Amino acid sequence: DTAVSQTPKYLVTQMGNDKSIKCEQNLGHDTMYWYKQDSKKFLKIMFSYNNKELIINETVPNRFSPKSPDKAHLNLHINSLELGDSAVYFCASSQWGLAGRRQETQYFGPGTRLLVL
Amino acid sequence: QKEVEQDPGPLSVPEGAIVSLNCTYSNSAFQYFMWYRQYSRKGPELLMYTYSSGNKEDGRFTAQVDKSSKYISLFIRDSQPSDSATYLCAMRDGNNRLAFGKGNQVVVIP
Repeated sequence: DTAVSQTPKYLVTQMGNDKSIKCEQNLGHDTMYWYKQDSKKFLKIMFSYNNKELIINETVPNRFSPKSPDKAHLNLHINSLELGDSAVYFCASSQWGLAGRRQETQYFGPGTRLLVL
Repeated sequence: QKEVEQDPGPLSVPEGAIVSLNCTYSNSAFQYFMWYRQYSRKGPELLMYTYSSGNKEDGRFTAQVDKSSKYISLFIRDSQPSDSATYLCAMRDGNNRLAFGKGNQVVVIP
């Protein structure tokens, strides 16, 4: 069973389009994240939701809007796509508030490779 | 200055050698320290986690933290070709915000 899944795996689109990436976790975690990994492999957090509430919102253009319909899902909608948005987007989840190692374990999805032409 | 500095490498070693990776950080608020491994075209997976200064061993892997110097290390003993991956250090502050290093690409040559 896939713990954290993302769709689509690959996304090729034109500049100016609007697209969405979906993420689902079946681990029963209460916290989900979106990360962006650029061509140099630098992984940077974008957003984090805990129990459907936004708790981390890094400096990200407001063209990016996360939505968490429930604890198991965190979707990312991107408006007016730009060339610089090309990257791999990773979703992750964790259980916040537990002591010990498990709290620190963020489980990552396989990534969505976005290419803006 | 970035919060977490990690020399991206790449690092090539012969099979059986010791791999040594390190990161430095500037934010004293970081309390928890992790190493993630990322294979090509996959998501990162947690390898090691520690929150105190000192060493932590897990099989062939040793994580070392020196909070006074703001320096963390990962050592891989008896390296195997299957260890070829990108290794990312990560640190968490009290607000649960995770910051990653740039990642070190490691290639173990058979």
